[in-house]
Parts: sequence; C-alpha cells; structure tokens
Amino acid sequence: GAVVSQHPSRVICKSGTSVKIECRSLDFQATTMFWYRQFPKQSLMLMATSNEGSKATYEQGVEKDKFLINHASLTLSTLTVTSAHPEDSSFYICSARDQRRGDTGELFFGEGSRLTVL
Amino acid sequence: GQNIDQPTEMTATEGAIVQINCTYQTSGFNGLFWYQQHAGEAPTFLSYNVLDGLEEKGRFSSFLSRSKGYSYLLLKELQMKDSASYLCAVIDSNYQLIWGAGTKLIIKP
Repeated sequence: GAVVSQHPSRVICKSGTSVKIECRSLDFQATTMFWYRQFPKQSLMLMATSNEGSKATYEQGVEKDKFLINHASLTLSTLTVTSAHPEDSSFYICSARDQRRGDTGELFFGEGSRLTVL
Repeated sequence: GQNIDQPTEMTATEGAIVQINCTYQTSGFNGLFWYQQHAGEAPTFLSYNVLDGLEEKGRFSSFLSRSKGYSYLLLKELQMKDSASYLCAVIDSNYQLIWGAGTKLIIKP
C-alpha cells in the first residue's frame, strides 16, 4: 500500500514554544491531507483538512491561528502548534488518500506524533 | 446528527472467534472502513465495504447491511497480537469520514 511518513514521532517542548509536525506522502500525490488528534482511549478527532495550494478547512472548535496548516506541495503538509500549552499534549496523526483513487479510497496514516508540552 | 456506535471493549480467548459490531446513522453512505489501532500507534487499514455482504480477507472478514445501517468485523483464530482497538468509520454523502469511538479488544491466553 501507499506510505505516509510523519515526523517527528515524539516531541517534548516547553509551554509557549511552537512545534512543527510534517506529513509526507512518499509514493503518491495527495491534494488533500487530514490532520487528527487523539486523546488517550478516545477515537480520532478530525482537526482540519489540508488542501494543496489553498487554505485548510478547520473543524468547528479548532483554532486556526493556533494550529497552522501549510500544504505547499502534493506530497507535504505541515501542522504547527503555536504557543503550545500542556492541554495541547496529544497524539497527532495525519492521513492522506491517493488522489487517483478518488474520495472513497482508503486513508493511509502517518505514524503519528506524540506531543508533550511541559 | 451523525452517529456511529460500537462496543467500548470486548474480551476474547486466543484461538477463538470474535465479532465486533458497528451501527451507524449518517447523512448518506459512501462506504465503511474498519481500521486496527495498536496502543500508541496510527491506525492501519483492514477492510472497506460499500456493497452489502461479506468480504473475507484471511482471518478477518467484514460484513455490511446498508438497509440496517450495520456492519461487523469478524476475527477468526485469534492471536495475542490481535489485541488492539478496532475503529469503524463511514464515508457520508459529503465524502467526510465519520469515526466511531473504537472497540478495545482484549485477547486472553
């Protein structure tokens, strides 16, 4: 299957700093990528849909100024958590579909990034 | 609203069979996925159903009834490594993916 790579897998930072997480589709192009966060023992929560070459679409309740998303190419989307606080500590996961498979193709997930804000 | 229901937790014995159910109420339907997620890891794809019936793939099978808004994931010959959460997700009419909360499956020797 297709491969999505996410980096870093773990990051620990001080409160008030910014953290950038990268999501790359390695062997396919993705005009759309999805960013999720997951708290312990809970399901995935969609934060935003990242669209190549245009602004991301954020879900209700997600602060766009705090979670900056950039999708500069067909293979790379980045999520920047700005001025991180302890409550932002979570597991962040990106996913993408191979655009050749349309809107009903399976999602390929990155490995996830565990953010801990001290 | 849109809703996907699946049991929170199930326990089964190694070598046995377990069925994880998923019921959904969504605005439209364009397919249903099952994903496996081990603790601390990202989900991995198991199956996709868009037509009614049973899809078999090795030890895992997935069933769909669109008229009943119902699916199940059947795991046979359970192994300890099958201990994980199993997530049901439905694509609605807007091609948005709606996720269930997941079923934590515990396998005992």
